[in-house]
Amino acid sequence: SYVLTQPPSVSVAPGQAATVTCGGNNIGRKSVHWYQQRPGQAPVLVVYDDSERPSGIPERFSGSNSGITATLTISRVEAGDEADYYCHVWDSTGGHRGFFGGGTKLTVL
Amino acid sequence: EVHLLESGGGLVQPGGSLRLSCVASGFTFSTFAMTWVRQVPGKGLEWVSSLSGSSASTYYADSVKDRFTISRDNSKNTVHLQMNRLRAEDTAIYYCAKDLQDSSGYGDAFHIWGQGIKVTVSS
Repeated sequence: SYVLTQPPSVSVAPGQAATVTCGGNNIGRKSVHWYQQRPGQAPVLVVYDDSERPSGIPERFSGSNSGITATLTISRVEAGDEADYYCHVWDSTGGHRGFFGGGTKLTVL
Repeated sequence: EVHLLESGGGLVQPGGSLRLSCVASGFTFSTFAMTWVRQVPGKGLEWVSSLSGSSASTYYADSVKDRFTISRDNSKNTVHLQMNRLRAEDTAIYYCAKDLQDSSGYGDAFHIWGQGIKVTVSS
């Protein structure tokens, strides 16, 4: 099993930058994907392969990954960014399986 | 527009079976891997299973291995999740998702998600 550790919550004022971290053993060697999930809705992919954005995702969403921590950064945070954010990786140790972090609740103050 | 619609959820007794289906539209179904992810209400996401576009490769979470079977019918643009020997801890919303870039079933991000279907395992 591959463990991904996220902070349960992050708070930020509108217009500021928010960072959500995802820790894992040598996660820098893996591709990390990030999802946004608003209450009552299905998840939405916001960053893939560490730092790529799917079409339609604002440039305010960016990602990085190195060492034991991957980071999702949301610049100029808006009220609509308030949601849960999950990181996701694949690991082949003991079988090819996918793993999600526990999720981070982003609160816009 | 890409669209995924799940069906087949409901209430089932412990030890029972249920078959979920997900009908896809708006893309060339056979060229993309498909995935099931579940979520206990109020809790986090859990990857369940993925299947390559050709059905040659299947992947399962340890928690469902040997109980759940993923399959697809490319002629009907449909992916299924056969769930046997269900347990109370399988109670969750089950999401069908289309992989982002390729058909391998491993390593990719989950790009498009259905709205989810609720499965309740209870006596």
